[in-house]
Amino acid sequence: DGGITQSPKYLFRKEGQNVTLSCEQNLNHDAMYWYRQDPGQGLRLIYYSQIVNDFQKGDIAEGYSVSREKKESFPLTVTSAQKNPTAFYLCASSILPSGGFDNEQFFGPGTRLTVL
Amino acid sequence: KQEVTQIPAALSVPEGENLVLNCSFTDSAIYNLQWFRQDPGKGLTSLLLIQSSQREQTSGRLNASLDKSSGRSTLYIAASQPGDSATYLCAVLLINAGGTSYGKLTFGQGTILTVHP
Repeated sequence: DGGITQSPKYLFRKEGQNVTLSCEQNLNHDAMYWYRQDPGQGLRLIYYSQIVNDFQKGDIAEGYSVSREKKESFPLTVTSAQKNPTAFYLCASSILPSGGFDNEQFFGPGTRLTVL
Repeated sequence: KQEVTQIPAALSVPEGENLVLNCSFTDSAIYNLQWFRQDPGKGLTSLLLIQSSQREQTSGRLNASLDKSSGRSTLYIAASQPGDSATYLCAVLLINAGGTSYGKLTFGQGTILTVHP
């Protein structure tokens, strides 16, 4: 059963703590992405990775970190430096965007992070 | 900087109506445009993807059009049903100098659709 899984579904964090959100895909996609969604707003790109051991900052990378040690995994760490981390976090993947491919992005079910 | 705007922000219609959701973007140098559906508390489901060279795509009761020169896309839903109630998001994929894409989607804020029986 191919797809993208995210865990946990709900996550609660105390102020000052780092937390890591998991994203795994078995679609054999090269590219993976992390987005943040706030109420009434569209999704905003945090980080993206086109290949193992390489990743780039998106529009709102401050206070976040990622790693890409395996093709199928792209965990996101929300650090204590992120001032307003309460949000819905979505992971996505696609084949490597290049000429000839449509680069359709597929999304996981999301993780809702709440800071207590 | 690419900006994507969706109108209306919310729409409530009776079952059976045909409806149109609008999406506009400021930079016409796009690789493709994607329409998504999001149910409350869930992830995004891809509905339709239109390549920059295409004018429209159809899937069942859904039809999406793209006018790249004017920076507009519309999602047409025929014979709406209560199960269509959700938030609909459009997103554009930017093209880079090499003619391909880094894969960065820019999203609109969405249209909240309610179809009542």
